Amino acid sequence: EIVMTQSPATLSVSPGERATLSCRASQSVSSNLAWYQQKPGQAPRLLFYGASTRATGIPARFSGSGSGTEFTLTISSLQSEDFAVYYCQQYNNWPPWTFGQGTKVEIK
Amino acid sequence: EVQLVESGGGLVQPGGSLRLSCVASGFTLSSYSMNWVRQAPGKGLEWVAYIYTSGTTKYFADSVKGRFTISRDNAKNSLYLEMNSLRDEDTAVYYCATHSGWYAYWGQGTLVTVSS
Repeated sequence: EIVMTQSPATLSVSPGERATLSCRASQSVSSNLAWYQQKPGQAPRLLFYGASTRATGIPARFSGSGSGTEFTLTISSLQSEDFAVYYCQQYNNWPPWTFGQGTKVEIK
Repeated sequence: EVQLVESGGGLVQPGGSLRLSCVASGFTLSSYSMNWVRQAPGKGLEWVAYIYTSGTTKYFADSVKGRFTISRDNAKNSLYLEMNSLRDEDTAVYYCATHSGWYAYWGQGTLVTVSS
């Protein structure tokens, strides 16, 4: 089973600042990685697949990068609606399809 | 508009059973493999079960193998999760989601609480 590790667990950022979230896989997942955003009481929302392909309707301030075992989600200028929990998920080696434990982006 | 609506959650005693349903609208369910993903209170996301478009291939997380069954009725645009021998640790919000490797569309979730 591939273990996904996200860091940091919590990221405190001021509105307008840049946020950088990391996701590491226990072995290579090529570019078969997705990112999700989840707000309290809501279902997760797909942000990226293929590590860097933006899903429909996702603003350009979000970007995804990486391949192999190291991945990054960057939010260039945080808006109020971006404070949420973010998860990465690999779909290279399955089953199981595995998620990271999440990074909470909170207001500083 | 693509929509997935889960139902069937509720309070059940340990050892009990429950059947979750997920009805799709705005797209043809038979075009997608489907999954159930769960989230325990205050915890992260956990993949639970997968079913291929035709229903011929199914996979389960080790934590539910032998206790849960996934099925689908494409004619009714519906997905199901039959849960038996429920344990306290199965308490979670259960989401159905389309599968393309990644999960593009999610339902709003249904809460299953296992408690005596």
